[in-house]
Amino acid sequence: GQQVMQIPQYQHVQEGEDFTTYCNSSTTLSNIQWYKQRPGGHPVFLIQLVKSGEVKKQKRLTFQFGEAKKNSSLHITATQTTDVGTYFCAVSGGYQKVTFGTGTKLQVIP
Amino acid sequence: NAGVTQTPKFQVLKTGQSMTLQCAQDMNHEYMSWYRQDPGMGLRLIHYSVGAGITDQGEVPNGYNVSRSTTEDFPLRLLSAAPSQTSVYFCASSLSTTGELFFGEGSRLTVL
Repeated sequence: GQQVMQIPQYQHVQEGEDFTTYCNSSTTLSNIQWYKQRPGGHPVFLIQLVKSGEVKKQKRLTFQFGEAKKNSSLHITATQTTDVGTYFCAVSGGYQKVTFGTGTKLQVIP
Repeated sequence: NAGVTQTPKFQVLKTGQSMTLQCAQDMNHEYMSWYRQDPGMGLRLIHYSVGAGITDQGEVPNGYNVSRSTTEDFPLRLLSAAPSQTSVYFCASSLSTTGELFFGEGSRLTVL
């Protein structure tokens, strides 16, 4: 099935610092989704990217899809304690499977 | 709308016991799936279904069975529980395989 590598696995930042997580695939992706999971919670959909080179923003969050559609990034500007959680990318692979990256756990130090 | 409802929220089993995790959605979604989440391993796909009567295996299907007799329900059966199946299980649904996934709140299973 489709596999994506997500880095870093963990990230600790001071409140106010920026944060970026990356997803990389060896094959071309049809689309990529991003989810956030708060501690003790369930994953919640953030956004979907479909077009090559696409950039979408949600307040302090910027999502980017690579030109070759093999990688994607999520960037948070000026992190806040409410950003704490694990961020996952997810891709639709062959045979209609939706598979997730291993996630990046973000800790924000007040 | 309730969205995706999973039961039970917590369960403790002994090795060899069987049980069923229930999942129901009221959004008329065709696509439903089960994931397990273990520390450091993200969400791994167990089984999925693209509609009533159709199921298929994901990345880690061994030890689990599913069926999809209705659009709304997608139960996950553990045939003979093993300690390696201790995990948090999430059910998810969406309109399509490329659409937003809606997750249930999860079921935490411990196998002793």
